[in-house]
Amino acid sequence: GAGVSQSPSNKVTEKGKDVELRCDPISGHTALYWYRQSLGQGLEFLIYFQGNSAPDKSGLPSDRFSAERTGGSVSTLTIQRTQQEDSAVYLCASSWGGSGELFFGEGSRLTVL
Amino acid sequence: AQSVTQLDSHVSVSEGTPVLLRCNYSSSYSPSLFWYVQHPNKGLQLLLKYTSAATLVKGINGFEAEFKKSETSFHLTKPSAHMSDAAEYFCVVSENNTGKLIFGQGTTLQVKP
Repeated sequence: GAGVSQSPSNKVTEKGKDVELRCDPISGHTALYWYRQSLGQGLEFLIYFQGNSAPDKSGLPSDRFSAERTGGSVSTLTIQRTQQEDSAVYLCASSWGGSGELFFGEGSRLTVL
Repeated sequence: AQSVTQLDSHVSVSEGTPVLLRCNYSSSYSPSLFWYVQHPNKGLQLLLKYTSAATLVKGINGFEAEFKKSETSFHLTKPSAHMSDAAEYFCVVSENNTGKLIFGQGTTLQVKP
């Protein structure tokens, strides 16, 4: 597709379960970002991939969160042992280099019961 | 470390009156600054960006922002609000050559008829 694709669009899980969220960026975009948006909150930076460089993981809130980007394209955000406070919309964005013009996906809404 | 502060969480204006959304930034280096807009049930979209060229930046839908280094501000303005401008607006900072973008908490713009 032409835009950033995220799946699943909605995920309901039980506390303690692991979840994986997928992001398929725009073809050719070298940078990929994950953000988290909680109800009534701004966007919280999680992690940033740029080409083959080591990712900037400074925003990951705990060691339960991890992300990888395979082949410089698709990325997976994994949350282990989910907690209720992990409930949020997880947004993925991609861009050409560090231009700052991010193209966002529709997000994955995670609800932890 | 870079950060942004959006001074108003909620702004309400009447249709046809000016819009002012305030943003102050903190950055150790020469920043790149952006405004993004999020309409209800839609993805985030770039409104405009400043990257050390002209200090007055024009964006889409009649919005513009002025970079004032002495005041560390990057306020967003529009001469005449339209009903379709009702949305959430985010001020964003990126330090040059890092690509990492930090979002403000957002300002909800309400436009009354």
